[in-house]
Amino acid sequence: GDSVTQMEGPVTLSEEACLTINCTYTATGYPSLFWYVQYPGEGLQLLLKATKADDKGSNKGFEATYRKETTSFHLEKGSVQVSDSAVYFCALVHNFNKFYFGSGTKLNVKP
Amino acid sequence: DTGVSQDPRHKITKRGQNVTFRCDPISEHNRLYWYRQTLGQGPEFLTYFQNEAQLEKSRLLSDRFSAERPKGSFSTLEIQRTEQGDSAMYLCASSQLRGPDMNTEAFFGQGTRLTVV
Repeated sequence: GDSVTQMEGPVTLSEEACLTINCTYTATGYPSLFWYVQYPGEGLQLLLKATKADDKGSNKGFEATYRKETTSFHLEKGSVQVSDSAVYFCALVHNFNKFYFGSGTKLNVKP
Repeated sequence: DTGVSQDPRHKITKRGQNVTFRCDPISEHNRLYWYRQTLGQGPEFLTYFQNEAQLEKSRLLSDRFSAERPKGSFSTLEIQRTEQGDSAMYLCASSQLRGPDMNTEAFFGQGTRLTVV
């Protein structure tokens, strides 16, 4: 069945450091891929998405590229800020079905 | 549009009591999802609707859980005879499936945090 695997956290970085959070998926066909962000006590907010192979989603300095050959959708940012501290979830959906989420990666950015 | 709205935001109940949560999706969104999230985990699928039809319910969900979406608008999730293991954040999300782009993003509400004591 469909599934998403993402790197375990927490990830602790200093401000302005580079960020990579790994995400790989298992799915038949061509899913759409997403990154969501969750702040404490809140619901999930869409950060970026990609709907087909080689698409690059981007938002607020974050980027992720849909790599079908490696079934990956790694999240990257060149320079993190304290305000980026949150939990990040990788997710997929396809065949008009439900969303599958990874277990989340907590990011702590220190000033 | 104010986004997906969930009510209440917090609920504390005694073990054995019944609780009901409400979700108002983004207007005209035809798909509505319920997920459950425990601390440190990703959202776990519970059920979803296409308009008023319930398309799938998680096999992990006991028969104490029931959801409805009358008239394809708001939805309710009821938990009967609550147990301490039901304590979690219950998330509702909606999306609009249209045309060839059927795998569009879901928009989440802020969730209802349930504590069973």
